[in-house]
Amino acid sequence: DAKTTQPNSMESNEEEPVHLPCNHSTISGTDYIHWYRQLPSQGPEYVIHGLTSNVNNRMASLAIAEDRKSSTLILHRATLRDAAVYYCILYNQGGKLIFGQGTELSVKP
Amino acid sequence: EPEVTQTPSHQVTQMGQEVILRCVPISNHLYFYWYRQILGQKVEFLVSFYNNEISEKSEIFDDQFSVERPDGSNFTLKIRSTKLEDSAMYFCASRYRGAYRDTPFNEQFFGPGTRLTVL
Repeated sequence: DAKTTQPNSMESNEEEPVHLPCNHSTISGTDYIHWYRQLPSQGPEYVIHGLTSNVNNRMASLAIAEDRKSSTLILHRATLRDAAVYYCILYNQGGKLIFGQGTELSVKP
Repeated sequence: EPEVTQTPSHQVTQMGQEVILRCVPISNHLYFYWYRQILGQKVEFLVSFYNNEISEKSEIFDDQFSVERPDGSNFTLKIRSTKLEDSAMYFCASRYRGAYRDTPFNEQFFGPGTRLTVL
């Protein structure tokens, strides 16, 4: 399974943008980049996904490097509710999600 | 908004006992999954289920585990003889479509989990 590397933890201030990086240097051409997050005491929750182009949705934006070896999840204005563990996952043809340790994001008021 | 539900929220059992964890996936979803998360550790895949059969399982999913979709709405995980190390949070997830990449339907929707404590 293709591997991703994320920082263990990051801090942000409320209402400021947050950029969560992910490296996936061994990504294959058919891998989609998915981001999930896990709020405290809850199940994982889908955030966003992309293949090559940058993507936006109501929750976040995903910026994908031109060589696809890295990506960045962008939360435009962090709120206290965004404090969670964020997982960057390479996903291919459906099937299982392989979770790493993710990045634990803390948001300070 | 439709959601995946799981019951019970917390199950306490004695080692060696059988437990059944229940999930109600989103109604028009076709793919079903179980994951577990031991306290403080990462989420681990257990099994995926499609068209009334297991499509993939991990090394964790040994003969003590089984899954079933007994009717059109429930999806269950049975552990035949629980061990202390089975204590974990168990998450059910479901997904709408197959591997059609350009739709948003590849996302998996997770339930809130069942905390299993084996004493």
